[in-house]
Amino acid sequence: GESVGLHLPTLSVQEGDNSIINCAYSNSASDYFIWYKQESGKGPQFIIDIRSNMDKRQGQRVTVLLNKTVKHLSLQIAATQPGDSAVYFCAENRVGGGNKLTFGTGTQLKVEL
Amino acid sequence: DTAVSQTPKYLVTQMGNDKSIKCEQNLGHDTMYWYKQDSKKFLKIMFSYNNKELIINETVPNRFSPKSPDKAHLNLHINSLELGDSAVYFCASSQVQGATNEKLFFGSGTQLSVL
Repeated sequence: GESVGLHLPTLSVQEGDNSIINCAYSNSASDYFIWYKQESGKGPQFIIDIRSNMDKRQGQRVTVLLNKTVKHLSLQIAATQPGDSAVYFCAENRVGGGNKLTFGTGTQLKVEL
Repeated sequence: DTAVSQTPKYLVTQMGNDKSIKCEQNLGHDTMYWYKQDSKKFLKIMFSYNNKELIINETVPNRFSPKSPDKAHLNLHINSLELGDSAVYFCASSQVQGATNEKLFFGSGTQLSVL
């Protein structure tokens, strides 16, 4: 069935290191992908998005890579900081899907000092 | 200023009760949503409204009734609460309905605990 899933439920990194959070999706019709960050006690917050006609997009300290061949998405965080500790979700939408985002199960990122 | 605000933050109630969660957005967006997040952090859409009109209803039990008095407000009323309704409920909004690449702006959530 259709799903958006994450490889690792928890990722621990040292402060200053780079973090890579992975996400797999199964629907080849997926057209748009978003990464959200959810801190404890808060709602998900938009980080970065990418359309299916791109394979890379960069933001401030974050990069999203999209590999449509293997239906894989990753979020790279450079120089990870304690404030990056949160649960990260990938989400996808598809042409004709309206605003119905399908979320993955989330990865807990823990930054160790 | 809070863009999407929902109240209450915490809601503890007995099984069988009826409760409401309110949501307001001051972003001028046309579309609003309710999402449910379970204990494993899985987020799933429940409803979406565009300019007061129901657009998405994800086979949610009819004990859940959203109401949108205007496009800036989307409230969620739950009748006959059950233990399985315990979750965090998030309100969200986006600018345009039907676009594939719309960012959602989320509220801070309502933690509902049914005892």
